[in-house]
Amino acid sequence: EAGVAQSPRYKIIEKRQSVAFWCNPISGHATLYWYQQILGQGPKLLIQFQNNGVVDDSQLPKDRFSAERLKGVDSTLKIQPAKLEDSAVYLCASSPHRSNYGYTFGSGTRLTVV
Amino acid sequence: GENVEQHPSTLSVQEGDSAVIKCTYSDSASNYFPWYKQELGKGPQLIIDIRSNVGEKKDQRIAVTLNKTAKHFSLHITETQPEDSAVYFCAASDNYGQNFVFGPGTRLSVLP
Repeated sequence: EAGVAQSPRYKIIEKRQSVAFWCNPISGHATLYWYQQILGQGPKLLIQFQNNGVVDDSQLPKDRFSAERLKGVDSTLKIQPAKLEDSAVYLCASSPHRSNYGYTFGSGTRLTVV
Repeated sequence: GENVEQHPSTLSVQEGDSAVIKCTYSDSASNYFPWYKQELGKGPQLIIDIRSNVGEKKDQRIAVTLNKTAKHFSLHITETQPEDSAVYFCAASDNYGQNFVFGPGTRLSVLP
């Protein structure tokens, strides 16, 4: 079974620029999550999708972050404009419908904002 | 909301010794407690989990214990090996993956 795919692996941008991350979840997984992991900390949930609908985006900084999951499969997370404090690893995870069984993470995208 | 604390933040052990990492949580509605291992440059990988209807679960050298009354759970690694060196995260959530909250992590170093 293929895992959760993320791209790019690394990204370096200047502050105030925009950036986008892509995630392809495990086939058949209805639920998709985006996490932000700042160096030395545990992952923090940004947004959770159920199919193509948002379940929880309470911790997403909506003035600069946006995410979509068209057709209930792939997802993109965008930051515009980026700030220095956005430097982190952005992890995507997926799980079967409303279940924490089979909850699987991708390898993440490491973002550095300079 | 849920708050998960984890101790210690760093742990060094000699190869062959045991390692114990402890977590506490605040939300009594949480009933699923996974442990993740994260190696450098990789995403967290599930190593063991426990649900609230079970007090202890073991998988080879790894075991997890849960005290739901006290709201704490622990990871035990026996006969540690250098490849066990990584950052370990505990987490808590309900049955549906809602309120999935991670602890701050423990960096385990196994010295040869």
